[in-house]
Amino acid sequence: EAQVTQNPRYLITVTGKKLTVTCSQNMNHEYMSWYRQDPGLGLRQIYYSMNVEVTDKGDVPEGYKVSRKEKRNFPLILESPSPNQTSLYFCASSLLLTGGEQYFGPGTRLTVT
Amino acid sequence: GNSVTQMEGPVTLSEEAFLTINCTYTATGYPSLFWYVQYPGEGLQLLLKATKADDKGSNKGFEATYRKETTSFHLEKGSVQVSDSAVYFCALVSGAGSYQLTFGKGTKLSVIP
Repeated sequence: EAQVTQNPRYLITVTGKKLTVTCSQNMNHEYMSWYRQDPGLGLRQIYYSMNVEVTDKGDVPEGYKVSRKEKRNFPLILESPSPNQTSLYFCASSLLLTGGEQYFGPGTRLTVT
Repeated sequence: GNSVTQMEGPVTLSEEAFLTINCTYTATGYPSLFWYVQYPGEGLQLLLKATKADDKGSNKGFEATYRKETTSFHLEKGSVQVSDSAVYFCALVSGAGSYQLTFGKGTKLSVIP
């Protein structure tokens, strides 16, 4: 089954404790992206990657890091989480040819206390 | 820059009612337009798309027509069902080789029996 998976689905952590949210896709997509969803703000892009070892900032990259060492994986790293990073996070992927047709993961709800 | 404005919700309709969710956009170049749907507790799914002016996207009884003259892409369905209850997002990508989706803030639809 074609899918984007994220782990964990739910995470409660404390300020400053490094964490990683994993994202993996099995569709051989070149493009992968991370979004955060906040009430009243919709979805905002954090980082994206157009292929292995190629990443770039989205609209709200501060406080986040990413890496793309393999085509299928695109982890999101929060080196020192803060309460304003409490949010619902989505990973998405697509072929470069059909950039707007993105497949989304199920989401990770992160709470930073 | 690019932006998407969609009608604020929530929208509550009775089953079999007609649905319209308005969406207008501002974009450079010739954008492709999308509607995504997010069912409770899930990630976003592509509902329909249109890639050029006057195109009509359709899926699952939903339709939207790309109107360049009014920069609009309104979502319609003739007869909604309880199972259509979800959050609907209008989105665009603009320009050749562009992959960054710009989303509206979402419209929550509740359909009551």
